[in-house]
Amino acid sequence: AQSVSQHNHHVILSEAASLELGCNYSYGGTVNLFWYVQYPGQHLQLLLKYFSGDPLVKGIKGFEAEFIKSKFSFNLRKPSVQWSDTAEYFCAVRTDSWGKLQFGAGTQVVVTP
Amino acid sequence: DTAVSQTPKYLVTQMGNDKSIKCEQNLGHDTMYWYKQDSKKFLKIMFSYNNKELIINETVPNRFSPKSPDKAHLNLHINSLELGDSAVYFCASSQGQANNSPLHFGNGTRLTVT
Repeated sequence: AQSVSQHNHHVILSEAASLELGCNYSYGGTVNLFWYVQYPGQHLQLLLKYFSGDPLVKGIKGFEAEFIKSKFSFNLRKPSVQWSDTAEYFCAVRTDSWGKLQFGAGTQVVVTP
Repeated sequence: DTAVSQTPKYLVTQMGNDKSIKCEQNLGHDTMYWYKQDSKKFLKIMFSYNNKELIINETVPNRFSPKSPDKAHLNLHINSLELGDSAVYFCASSQGQANNSPLHFGNGTRLTVT
């Protein structure tokens, strides 16, 4: 069965620290990859997506992610976090043509002032 | 204008009751989804409709019945509510088979069954 694994469930870091969240998936075919963010009490918002082309994709709010096909990974990074980045981050994979997303379990990120 | 809107935002009800959640999107998308987010924040797809036709039906109790009167609306009716149904339900939409169309989510409906 296909799966999406996020390595960290909780991350606590200080403002200005760098952030990297790991995401691995198990599917051998063509995939579309996404990172979504969910701020406290809010809905999911798209941070960035990868469909094809340059494996380094840039998203909103200074986030970027790198697709490494050989490692089945799509890690999210931000060089310097802010308190407002406190949120739940979800990696998601789409493997079919109907847009069905399979989500990872999420990583709760807490940024302390 | 909210792109994907759900009502109600909060729903508190007793076990055994029947309730409905409504969803509407004004993005012109042809595919809509219902996702369930449990207390551990895990998101799982429940249903998907494309142009009013059911295309994804995950292993969901048949107490849950989606209805899509048109491609801009996807409602979720739940019969005989159980404690385990307590969760946040998110509606989403996308442009079906377009590979570069991400999902757009609504604000969620927090259902609490007592």
